[in-house]
Amino acid sequence: DIQMTQSPSTLSASVGDRVTLTCRASQSISSWLAWYQQKPGKAPKLLIYKASSLEGGVPSRFGGSGSGTEFTLIISSLQPDDFATYYCQQYTGYPLTFGGGTKVEIK
Amino acid sequence: EVQLLESGGGLVQPGGSLRLSCAASGFTFSDYTMGWVRQAPGKGLEWVSAIRSVGSTFYADSVKGRFTISRDNSQNTLYLQMNSLRAEDTALYYCAKGRPGGSFDCWGQGTLVTVSS
Repeated sequence: DIQMTQSPSTLSASVGDRVTLTCRASQSISSWLAWYQQKPGKAPKLLIYKASSLEGGVPSRFGGSGSGTEFTLIISSLQPDDFATYYCQQYTGYPLTFGGGTKVEIK
Repeated sequence: EVQLLESGGGLVQPGGSLRLSCAASGFTFSDYTMGWVRQAPGKGLEWVSAIRSVGSTFYADSVKGRFTISRDNSQNTLYLQMNSLRAEDTALYYCAKGRPGGSFDCWGQGTLVTVSS
């Protein structure tokens, strides 16, 4: 199975900061990577698919990049609504696997 | 508007069974892969199972042989039959609509399964 590792596990940042989250795959997954945002008590929300494609309705301050085994999610200017936990997920094949998550906290 | 509404969760003893349902609306259900993802209390997301539009099924190793995913396209409903439940199956179970490729673009609010004596 492909293991997904996210770093850091927690990130403290301020409104307006540029934030970079990292996701690494244990083997190449090409660009078959998605990013989700989850707020407490809510279902996950798809932000990015195929590593860099923005899901409809997602603000343009979110951006994804990478291929192979290294991926990043960048929030260009952190907004109050962005404090949440972010998960990556590979879908190069079954079993699908998620990373352990990065919690973005208010500094 | 796409909507997914899970039901069927509850408290069950170890070794027991439950059947989860997910009622879908707002899209052509039969055209899409559907899946179940769970989240143990305070933990991350864990993919459980998926079923393609043509009916082929996939399972995480942790549930293989105990859980069965199925769908009724005439009723726009997804199911998860869970047998031989264990304490480690305790989680919030989400139903999710697959985006072509394998990501999930719409999620229900979840149904809580608690396995405890």
